[in-house]
Amino acid sequence: DVKVTQSSRYLVKRTGEKVFLECVQDMDHENMFWYRQDPGLGLRLIYFSYDVKMKEKGDIPEGYSVSREKKERFSLILESASTNQTSMYLCASSLPGQTYEQYFGPGTRLTVT
Amino acid sequence: GNSVTQMEGPVTLSEEAFLTINCTYTATGYPSLFWYVQYPGEGLQLLLKATKADDKGSNKGFEATYRKETTSFHLEKGSVQVSDSAVYFCALSDLGAAGNKLTFGGGTRVLVKP
Repeated sequence: DVKVTQSSRYLVKRTGEKVFLECVQDMDHENMFWYRQDPGLGLRLIYFSYDVKMKEKGDIPEGYSVSREKKERFSLILESASTNQTSMYLCASSLPGQTYEQYFGPGTRLTVT
Repeated sequence: GNSVTQMEGPVTLSEEAFLTINCTYTATGYPSLFWYVQYPGEGLQLLLKATKADDKGSNKGFEATYRKETTSFHLEKGSVQVSDSAVYFCALSDLGAAGNKLTFGGGTRVLVKP
């Protein structure tokens, strides 16, 4: 069965902290994505990666960076967390050429105080 | 750029009622259209898709028809169940654009009461 897992379901961090969100998929997918989900705004793409060590900016990359050292793992990094980064973060993966069928993890609800 | 507009929720219905969620889009190319569903506490999952004009996608009793003339992709189900309570997202993928990204609408929360 297809599976995308995220390291935490809930996370509380302080302003200015460095935050790591981890995502692992077991489907051998080349493509991986990070989104944030906010009420009324839907999902907005932060970054995506189509291969190991490759990354592309999405629609809202400011304040975030990513790392993809292994095919199955895609990390989202908040270099200095701010309160406006309080959100639900969703990771997804897909096969190349089938980016419409993305498999999502359950999400990490991050609160920055 | 591409955009997707959905009706705002929440939509509250009784079991066995008819459900419609409106979705319209703006796209520069010839997009494929999708509905994703997010059940409580879970990630999104693909519900149905349509890749060209007049295609009808269907799954689990849900249907949506790709209407190019009205740039719409409304989701319908004839008789909802409590288990259909979820957030529904309309999305498009412009396969001609670099990166083949998905663009999502704001989501519509549906609550079905027994």
